Amino acid sequence: DQQVKQNSPSLSVQEGRISILNCDYTNSMFDYFLWYKKYPAEGPTFLISISSIKDKNEDGRFTVFLNKSAKHLSLHIVPSQPGDSAVYFCAASGWGGAGSYQLTFGKGTKLSVIP
Amino acid sequence: EADIYQTPRYLVIGTGKKITLECSQTMGHDKMYWYQQDPGMELHLIHYSYGVNSTEKGDLSSESTVSRIRTEHFPLTLESARPSHTSQYLCASSENEQFFGPGTRLTVL
Repeated sequence: DQQVKQNSPSLSVQEGRISILNCDYTNSMFDYFLWYKKYPAEGPTFLISISSIKDKNEDGRFTVFLNKSAKHLSLHIVPSQPGDSAVYFCAASGWGGAGSYQLTFGKGTKLSVIP
Repeated sequence: EADIYQTPRYLVIGTGKKITLECSQTMGHDKMYWYQQDPGMELHLIHYSYGVNSTEKGDLSSESTVSRIRTEHFPLTLESARPSHTSQYLCASSENEQFFGPGTRLTVL
């Protein structure tokens, strides 16, 4: 039973255009959301995060939007660059078992930016 | 930028062997984690630690064990490797956001 869902396994975008990656979650106890970027044969790299008390967070070309009522968040990359080509993981943080905060990850979306 | 290291990066080993995957971080983070990831799938938490002498099992059941004797070191051990253990193993540490190491790709023949 997946609590964090990235329904698009892949996305292709032309260089310079906007990339929009989507993520849905089911657990209303999640209160912090993160996006990670992963290149092949490397570990994930933290990209941007958002707390549940906000609906938008912006960092340079990257903006994350959170719609709590829809349990949906999205990552916008504009303008997209070929170096952005990677797998993007959505993750959610909430109070897990044994009194701990844990991250739950989606399956990832592979973004390809075409020059 | 967090400095977190994993060795080996790649390991091919026969069934029944004992292996230890190393993870070290120089950030002084109390929290450390081990994840397992298969291609095209999500990362699954298999172990975590909130400090020295603290270890807990994660969401995904794993036959591996971990230890946390020093803050900077969080090794993962498989006593008897099997083909079903073939996967990528990712170590992470955090104060807030988790920072990941480069991963160990394990293949058990």
